Amino acid sequence: SQQGEEDPQALSIQEGENATMNCSYKTSINNLQWYRQNSGRGLVHLILIRSNEREKHSGRLRVTLDTSKKSSSLLITASRAADTASYFCATVPSGTYKYIFGTGTRLKVLA
Amino acid sequence: EAGVAQSPRYKIIEKRQSVAFWCNPISGHATLYWYQQILGQGPKLLIQFQNNGVVDDSQLPKDRFSAERLKGVDSTLKIQPAKLEDSAVYLCASSLVGLAAQETQYFGPGTRLLVL
Repeated sequence: SQQGEEDPQALSIQEGENATMNCSYKTSINNLQWYRQNSGRGLVHLILIRSNEREKHSGRLRVTLDTSKKSSSLLITASRAADTASYFCATVPSGTYKYIFGTGTRLKVLA
Repeated sequence: EAGVAQSPRYKIIEKRQSVAFWCNPISGHATLYWYQQILGQGPKLLIQFQNNGVVDDSQLPKDRFSAERLKGVDSTLKIQPAKLEDSAVYLCASSLVGLAAQETQYFGPGTRLLVL
């Protein structure tokens, strides 16, 4: 079963705009991670946020985590055409070491 | 540092045939994962190895899928016999320890399987 669900399923923006995608999950977690997948490629780790953290930054990426709402958001600022990809959240439910991936958001950045 | 290697990259087979995928994780990584990713969905964990022992295989269809990780390094995933619904990308990933719950997984490029 897939614990995480990303929203929206697809997003199309102009280069330079910000892109925000959300992830909701069902059970308490150890941490939440975001991955990017370019077409036909494997997944690349972007950022990890622990359950006791509320916000984290990495370059143009900003991730927030609200454990009370069981949700996370990924913000990509000043988007580029190279950001075009699918983005997945992955959660590690508390008491496990198992990664459960969401359904993904397909982002398209138009030049 | 070399990444996770997988082969073949693409495979087309008829239903009821068998197929095998190979994965070589990053050197020194104790944990190896096999995921199935159906088109339009997120990866689903099939099996997780810690060295050469199985940590989780709860979502592996054991009547047709098998996996092994001899000597705690390379791994093979086999499907026998294949069904149409097995058409997917099979991703291999590895992580340094795997049981720390705070780790990054490193993914290979995947094997795209089409069952006709």
